[in-house]
Amino acid sequence: KAGVTQTPRYLIKTRGQQVTLSCSPISGHRSVSWYQQTPGQGLQFLFEYFSETQRNKGNFPGRFSGRQFSNSRSEMNVSTLELGDSALYLCASSLVFGNLGTEAFFGQGTRLTVV
Amino acid sequence: GENVEQHPSTLSVQEGDSAVIKCTYSDSASNYFPWYKQELGKGPQLIIDIRSNVGEKKDQRIAVTLNKTAKHFSLHITETQPEDSAVYFCADTGFQKLVFGTGTRLLVSP
Repeated sequence: KAGVTQTPRYLIKTRGQQVTLSCSPISGHRSVSWYQQTPGQGLQFLFEYFSETQRNKGNFPGRFSGRQFSNSRSEMNVSTLELGDSALYLCASSLVFGNLGTEAFFGQGTRLTVV
Repeated sequence: GENVEQHPSTLSVQEGDSAVIKCTYSDSASNYFPWYKQELGKGPQLIIDIRSNVGEKKDQRIAVTLNKTAKHFSLHITETQPEDSAVYFCADTGFQKLVFGTGTRLLVSP
């Protein structure tokens, strides 16, 4: 059974640009959550999608957005990139919405560097 | 508010020793507590979890205990090995999302 796949693994972007990251969850999983990991802030929740609907959202500015497709694959987009957006972006998949009592499995992450 | 406190931030042990990492959560509605291990350059890997109707769970050298009254849960690793060296995160799901602790860097010296 394939795990969570995130693409690309590494990205370098310039301030002001926008970027799109992709996540393919484990087959059969319908919930996809996104997290930002930085040395200073740790693992911070961005948002969660279930059945193509955003069910929960963290405290990030509107420049961070996402969507989920009918096959459960998800993308997140960051517009007008800032230096502080440099981070490891992680995607987690689980069977149901809200990670309530069900295991969440993470991908390898996308390392975004903004210069 | 949403908060999971995790201690210690770093832990150095000799191979064969035991290691204990402790977390405290805030939402009394939390009912699921996973632990993740993150190695350099990789995403977090689920290593063990516990639900609120259980006080302890063990899987080989790893165990987790939960004290719902005190809102504490702990990870215990026995007979540590160098390959246990990594960053460990606790989490809870009290706010319908994974809220992570700040992480513990475990170093196991041969």
